[in-house]
Amino acid sequence: DVQMTQSPSNLAASPGESVSINCKASKSISKYLAWYQQKPGKANKLLIYSGSTLQSGTPSRFSGSGSGTDFTLTIRNLEPEDFGLYYCQQHNEYPPTFGGGTKLELK
Amino acid sequence: EVKLLESGGGLVQPGGSLRLSCAASGFTFADFYMSWIRQSPGKAPEWLSFIRNKANSYTTEYNPSVKGRFTISRDDTQNVLYLQMNTLRAEDTAIYYCAKHRTVYYFDYWGQGVMVTVSS
Repeated sequence: DVQMTQSPSNLAASPGESVSINCKASKSISKYLAWYQQKPGKANKLLIYSGSTLQSGTPSRFSGSGSGTDFTLTIRNLEPEDFGLYYCQQHNEYPPTFGGGTKLELK
Repeated sequence: EVKLLESGGGLVQPGGSLRLSCAASGFTFADFYMSWIRQSPGKAPEWLSFIRNKANSYTTEYNPSVKGRFTISRDDTQNVLYLQMNTLRAEDTAIYYCAKHRTVYYFDYWGQGVMVTVSS
């Protein structure tokens, strides 16, 4: 199975700032990485797939980059609703596997 | 609006069984692959199983951690996804989510999840 490693595990920022979350695959997954947002009491939300394609409804302040084994989720001009947990997931091969998560907290 | 609503969770003793359901609406359920994914407290989500659509003969795949104990199924007439869980263990304690596939291996909609606790 492809192991996914996210960093950092925790991240503190203020509204208006920009942050980056990293995800590293144990082997090449081409461009096939998804990012999800998780918030208490809400369904997980798909933000980005295929590394950089925004899911319909994802604000343009979110962007994804990378290929091969190294990927980054960048959130520019943080809004209050952006704070929560973020997970990466490779969708290049079976079985789909997830990273350990990054908690984005209000500074 | 796509909605996925899980039910059937609860407290069960080790070795026991439970059947989870996921009621789907807002999309043509029969057309899509569907998955079950779980998440233990403080841990990463773990994909468990998916079931293909009728066009792909409803074939199934399982994570080795649950293969032989869990069975996924679907009822396209009622728009419901199921997960039959047998021989439950303490390590199966988690929130269980159903999720709709956008393409084969990623998920564009998730339910809010249902808690399963395996404890004596």
